[in-house]
Amino acid sequence: DAGITQSPRHKVTETGTPVTLRCHQTENHRYMYWYRQDPGHGLRLIHYSYGVKDTDKGEVSDGYSVSRSKTEDFLLTLESATSSQTSVYFCAIRKQGVYGYTFGSGTRLTVV
Amino acid sequence: QQQVKQSPQSLIVQKGGISIINCAYENTAFDYFPWYQQFPGKGPALLIAIRPDVSEKKEGRFTISFNKSAKQFSLHIMDSQPGDSATYFCAASNSSGSRLTFGEGTQLTVNP
Repeated sequence: DAGITQSPRHKVTETGTPVTLRCHQTENHRYMYWYRQDPGHGLRLIHYSYGVKDTDKGEVSDGYSVSRSKTEDFLLTLESATSSQTSVYFCAIRKQGVYGYTFGSGTRLTVV
Repeated sequence: QQQVKQSPQSLIVQKGGISIINCAYENTAFDYFPWYQQFPGKGPALLIAIRPDVSEKKEGRFTISFNKSAKQFSLHIMDSQPGDSATYFCAASNSSGSRLTFGEGTQLTVNP
């Protein structure tokens, strides 16, 4: 997806370990978002950022933390991974004044 | 709780037919209603969007119908094609546009 990359694309981790997912943008957009996608639930907002060091919680933030020290990078950390956090994670970016989101290609995370 | 309810969960249509996906919302502060299309292994992509000051918006074969009093909106895909087979998400946000709330998704299959 143009201007936004997620890494890694796939990851398998063990229960109880910390995991960090990275979202990188080249668009210099102000807003960045982390969503998780699960069957029957659609996309649910985990955390979002409206600027460097400015973040806020979404509807499913428990067990997750985020950091944004640079405009281009938004990190999502699972502090102690659990099987319920097995999901596909999507990052999205949005330009100020524009409502449409641009999504990355996702990270498939499996917690065993 | 899900503030945007989407139906059906899955839909099978013959080539050339009309696909209809419905969404209902609860929050009267919502004033931006996009639809996203997602192909397997990809992130969702903005397809079409509407604001409540109009009752219908058409872009090619895709039309959004909006009923403000009923707090419902729907996506119509005319002359459905096999290439339209994908998962479709409705969403809503308020005037700040800061966070999108998504429906559960509809998996559309268009048979040749």
